[in-house]
Amino acid sequence: DAGVIQSPRHEVTEMGQEVTLRCKPISGHNSLFWYRQTMMRGLELLIYFNNNVPIDDSGMPEDRFSAKMPNASFSTLKIQPSEPRDSAVYFCASSFSDRDNGYTFGSGTRLTVV
Amino acid sequence: ELKVEQNPLFLSMQEGKNYTIYCNYSTTSDRLYWYRQDPGKSLESLFVLLSNGAVKQEGRLMASLDTKARLSTLHITAAVHDLSATYFCARHFGNEKLTFGTGTRLTIIP
Repeated sequence: DAGVIQSPRHEVTEMGQEVTLRCKPISGHNSLFWYRQTMMRGLELLIYFNNNVPIDDSGMPEDRFSAKMPNASFSTLKIQPSEPRDSAVYFCASSFSDRDNGYTFGSGTRLTVV
Repeated sequence: ELKVEQNPLFLSMQEGKNYTIYCNYSTTSDRLYWYRQDPGKSLESLFVLLSNGAVKQEGRLMASLDTKARLSTLHITAAVHDLSATYFCARHFGNEKLTFGTGTRLTIIP
């Protein structure tokens, strides 16, 4: 198993541009989570999906952020328009909700908005 | 309000010494996880603790859970440099999402 796959690994973009982060969860996992990590705020859960359905998006900072999961093997997190304060590492994680193994995290996308 | 608090937030310790990281959580938990994160890397699962009194050990790390006290500990024995990392605990209950602690940045000094 290749684990949770995120792309791109690094993204540098100008303020105002649209950014799309991608995630492929582990096959068979039915829950997917998007986290943001910064020095100031630590790990923040942005949104999570169960069986491709968004369950809790209360962590999404504002309307500039949106997330989709069109099928069990793919999710996107989009920021439009991006701002410098969105600079962070964004992690995707997946799990099988009925098991005790916790979440498996991807390698993350380091986003820099200049 | 659900809170998961770790202490200390920062810890520098000499090689060969023992120390404990504490994780307190404010509401009921049925599972408690410990993760490790190396600088610039992802989070790696270390332990899952499922019941009161559970103890798990891997190498120089040992984790325990006291659900009555709402406390988990991560004990480091005879620390070595390779253990330098940030350690997170995370609390889970029922169908709720994992709630992570603030993290403890551990630096092992030769």
